[in-house]
Amino acid sequence: GIQVEQSPPDLILQEGANSTLRCNFSDSVNNLQWFHQNPWGQLINLFYIPSGTKQNGRLSATTVATERYSLLYISSSQTTDSGVYFCAVEGETDSWGKFQFGAGTQVVVTP
Amino acid sequence: EAQVTQNPRYLITVTGKKLTVTCSQNMNHEYMSWYRQDPGLGLRQIYYSMNVEVTDKGDVPEGYKVSRKEKRNFPLILESPSPNQTSLYFCASRAKTVVNTEAFFGQGTRLTVV
Repeated sequence: GIQVEQSPPDLILQEGANSTLRCNFSDSVNNLQWFHQNPWGQLINLFYIPSGTKQNGRLSATTVATERYSLLYISSSQTTDSGVYFCAVEGETDSWGKFQFGAGTQVVVTP
Repeated sequence: EAQVTQNPRYLITVTGKKLTVTCSQNMNHEYMSWYRQDPGLGLRQIYYSMNVEVTDKGDVPEGYKVSRKEKRNFPLILESPSPNQTSLYFCASRAKTVVNTEAFFGQGTRLTVV
């Protein structure tokens, strides 16, 4: 099956700093989404981004499907950005709603 | 508001006592699936459904059952829960379209089996 690798595994930021999270995937995808899991365990959908670039406030994401990677940018980080960020993909051969999740990036933003 | 609703959010139960976690979506989505999340193992798919009365096993189906009698509902059934099924469970749904669309996830159900 498709492999998803996220880096870095852990990230400690001071409030106000910028950061980039990376997601590499091993095969062509039909779907790619970024999620933020908050301390209560909820998965918050950040971006649906199988290709191209999107922005939502301080967050933005870029997926280069031909090179099989996606980037999530956090600018001017805040303590509420803390949590685990997951990249999840649906491979072209698994197109019926099966997501393969990466292991996540644990982000801690300190005041 | 488009949403996937799971119930209950938290559950503590004893080994062997049958339980059902409900999942309902209001978006008329064809695809629904269940995942479990465990430390060090990430999120793994348990079962999925492509439409009413069509279900199939995911990566970790042992000990679980599902049914899809109506399009909006996809309950997860644990007939005889065991402590190794203690986990955080998520239900998800997505439309079946020519161009894939985003998936929506429920709020999660934290299950503890003692």
